[in-house]
Amino acid sequence: GEDVEQSLFLSVREGDSSVINCTYTDSSSTYLYWYKQEPGAGLQLLTYIFSNMDMKQDQRLTVLLNKKDKHLSLRIADTQTGDSAIYFCAEMADYKLSFGAGTTVTVRA
Amino acid sequence: GAGVSQSPSNKVTEKGKDVELRCDPISGHTALYWYRQRLGQGLEFLIYFQGNSAPDKSGLPSDRFSAERTGESVSTLTIQRTQQEDSAVYLCASSLGGDLLTQYFGPGTRLLVL
Repeated sequence: GEDVEQSLFLSVREGDSSVINCTYTDSSSTYLYWYKQEPGAGLQLLTYIFSNMDMKQDQRLTVLLNKKDKHLSLRIADTQTGDSAIYFCAEMADYKLSFGAGTTVTVRA
Repeated sequence: GAGVSQSPSNKVTEKGKDVELRCDPISGHTALYWYRQRLGQGLEFLIYFQGNSAPDKSGLPSDRFSAERTGESVSTLTIQRTQQEDSAVYLCASSLGGDLLTQYFGPGTRLLVL
């Protein structure tokens, strides 16, 4: 079965970089995703990476994938107060998404 | 519409009552998914539709849960004889196809069973 794990909390100062880590277990995963959930809002797709890539950059977001260790990370450069949210790592195998419990990121001034 | 919509946004019900949750996927998306998110937890997969068929119902927690989809569009998730442990946010997502394609999520229905 699939099992996705992530740390529960991250506190970061405004302007610093945030790094959110995730580990997964299903080696057949084809895509890995990062979703953002703000209070009272639905899940917003932030970015995704195909399993044959090891890095993807999209503006302030950098995704690193270590397929050997089944480790995924999301780096947010120049973190802003609007980045405060819960970030979910998810892996897709077949058509199903398996999610981690989410990392609550708090940005302090 | 522009995105996935769900209704109602909030539902409070008494234990033992039946509830229906509705999802309107993005127009043209053939695949539709239901997930459940309990407080402080990640999402649990419930069921997947490709067109109007549900090839995978493995995530449905019990026979009190059922779902249908008509016209390759709207889907309804029904929970019969609700229990307090059914309290959660129920999220719907859709994608252009099944495998390998990005799922876009609705805002969810927050269900509270008293």
